[in-house]
Amino acid sequence: DAKTTQPNSMESNEEEPVHLPCNHSTISGTDYIHWYRQLPSQGPEYVIHGLTSNVNNRMASLAIAEDRKSSTLILHRATLRDAAVYYCIPKSNAGGTSYGKLTFGQGTILTVHP
Amino acid sequence: DTAVSQTPKYLVTQMGNDKSIKCEQNLGHDTMYWYKQDSKKFLKIMFSYNNKELIINETVPNRFSPKSPDKAHLNLHINSLELGDSAVYFCASSLGATGGSAEAFFGQGTRLTVV
Repeated sequence: DAKTTQPNSMESNEEEPVHLPCNHSTISGTDYIHWYRQLPSQGPEYVIHGLTSNVNNRMASLAIAEDRKSSTLILHRATLRDAAVYYCIPKSNAGGTSYGKLTFGQGTILTVHP
Repeated sequence: DTAVSQTPKYLVTQMGNDKSIKCEQNLGHDTMYWYKQDSKKFLKIMFSYNNKELIINETVPNRFSPKSPDKAHLNLHINSLELGDSAVYFCASSLGATGGSAEAFFGQGTRLTVV
């Protein structure tokens, strides 16, 4: 499993953009980069994923470095509801015992101030 | 409709008891998982099943036995509960055929407290 490094915590003000960084320098060439978040007292929730190109969806944008050793999750306008733990997870495309497996690290605790 | 539902949401039981947690998904997925989140909030996979076949068993004590009667259900039975089993257990599902791009959907969790 590729190792990830994320800041323990970050803070933002409501309606401002937030850039959440992740280093995954040991990522395999075929691993997808997934981001999940976990709101208080809830199960993890899928946010976005990508392989090489930058990706946008209704929740966020994902910027992937050209060498794929890092990525940044971008919340364009943070709301109070975005306060959560954000996990960056390289996900294997292989079968066998890696099949579908998500390996969670410590994540980044995002605090959003009103 | 809840995509991945677990029951019960809370479970308090005494040491030595046997208990089960049930999980059902209505997403048509073929792969289901159990994850454990301990008191330090660390999330770790325990098991995964694909089309009712066990794929991943992450060195979980054999007191934990998953059972998948069909693709939509994955239950977790725990024998001889210990204090250290206290945690939040999450069920999840995904479409296995899409490999590394598959997004997983998680249930709301079952908070197990062993006293």
